[in-house]
Amino acid sequence: DVQMTQSPSNLAASPGESVSINCKASKSISKYLAWYQQKPGKANKLLIYSGSTLQSGTPSRFSGSGSGTDFTLTIRNLEPEDFGLYYCQQHNEYPYTFGAGTKLELK
Amino acid sequence: EVQLQESGPGLVKPSQSLSLTCSVTGYSITSNYWGWIRKFPGNKMEWMGYISYSGSTSYNPSLKSRISITRDTSKNQFFLQLNSVTTEDTATYYCARDNHYFDYWGQGVMVTVSS
Repeated sequence: DVQMTQSPSNLAASPGESVSINCKASKSISKYLAWYQQKPGKANKLLIYSGSTLQSGTPSRFSGSGSGTDFTLTIRNLEPEDFGLYYCQQHNEYPYTFGAGTKLELK
Repeated sequence: EVQLQESGPGLVKPSQSLSLTCSVTGYSITSNYWGWIRKFPGNKMEWMGYISYSGSTSYNPSLKSRISITRDTSKNQFFLQLNSVTTEDTATYYCARDNHYFDYWGQGVMVTVSS
């Protein structure tokens, strides 16, 4: 299975700041990485797929980059609603695998 | 709008079977792929498997022969059965539309395995 190493596990930031979350695959997954946001009481939200393609409805302050084994989710100009748990997931091969999650908290 | 909703018992005894239903509205399950994912205490996420538009299935090898995903197209529902559960199967279970990435999710149902 492809192991996904996500970092950092916790991140504190203030509204208006920019943050980056990293995901490293144990082998090349080409461009096939997705990012999700998870918040209590809400359905998980797909933000980005195929490394950098924004899902319909994802604000443009979110961006994804990377290919091969190293990927980054960047959130610019943080809004209060951006705080929550973020996951990466490789969708290059079965079984799909997820990173361990990054908790983005309000500083 | 595509919506998914999980339902099923919140408590299952060890060695018994866990059975969950995913009800889909706004889209036919005879199109696309439909999957189950779970989140363990401590936040680890695991893809469990999918059922396709044709009824074919694929499962995570980690679940070996314990898992079965089936469907009822007349009700636009698909189902998860996990056999011989242990306390390690305690998790929040999600159903989702599977495009290799998951673009629509249910809100999840928490299942505890305990005697």
